[in-house]
Amino acid sequence: QVQLQESGPGLVKPSETLSLTCTVSGYSISSTYYWGWIRQPPGKGLEWVGTIYHSGSTSYNPSLKSRVAMSVDTSKNQFSLKLTSVTAADTAVYFCGRVSGGIPPLGRLDYWGQGILVTVS
Amino acid sequence: EIVLTQSPGTLSLAPGERATLSCRASQSVRSSYLAWYQQKPGQAPRLLIFGASTRATGIPDRFSGSGSGTDFTLTISRLEPEDFAVFYCQQYGSSPETFGQGTKVEIK
Repeated sequence: QVQLQESGPGLVKPSETLSLTCTVSGYSISSTYYWGWIRQPPGKGLEWVGTIYHSGSTSYNPSLKSRVAMSVDTSKNQFSLKLTSVTAADTAVYFCGRVSGGIPPLGRLDYWGQGILVTVS
Repeated sequence: EIVLTQSPGTLSLAPGERATLSCRASQSVRSSYLAWYQQKPGQAPRLLIFGASTRATGIPDRFSGSGSGTDFTLTISRLEPEDFAVFYCQQYGSSPETFGQGTKVEIK
């Protein structure tokens, strides 16, 4: 059974960098799927942040591209998100997930982490 | 960027009734790469439908998806108490992937 778990600070100061890690269990991150980050501001809808492959190939939402960086650590079966120069608008629940189907790096999310609330204040 | 518009914003129905949710895209969705998710409060979204009409693993057959091009529909044939939630559509045919704003299905 594929499981994902987000971890990282729940509080980040404005202008600083948000850093999150997603740990995958039950499946090797080095296999054929892409892995992604999605965020959801409190009480609002979902926004695609970006996607990464185990090779390190990335695809970012253009609205965040200048501030986002994703990386992968296959030895730990983890992938990570960094978002720089954060503001209150970046306050959200951040989900990680497995990307499936579509034309890579695009896809649906068939497995999700439980999400982590990050507050910028 | 493809904009997805979901309607209605809120659907008030009783258990046992039929729910019909709409997702309209600003441009044609390539290869019907359209998914539906269900989200309950405090939980991650759950994949229900992908490829516009294929049910994900373990999803009951009372959930069905249809449509192509720019118009897609999620139908719940008979609402069970556990079905009341917010539903999102997502297109993954063009970058960036985008989501609709959601339809809340609430108990009448």
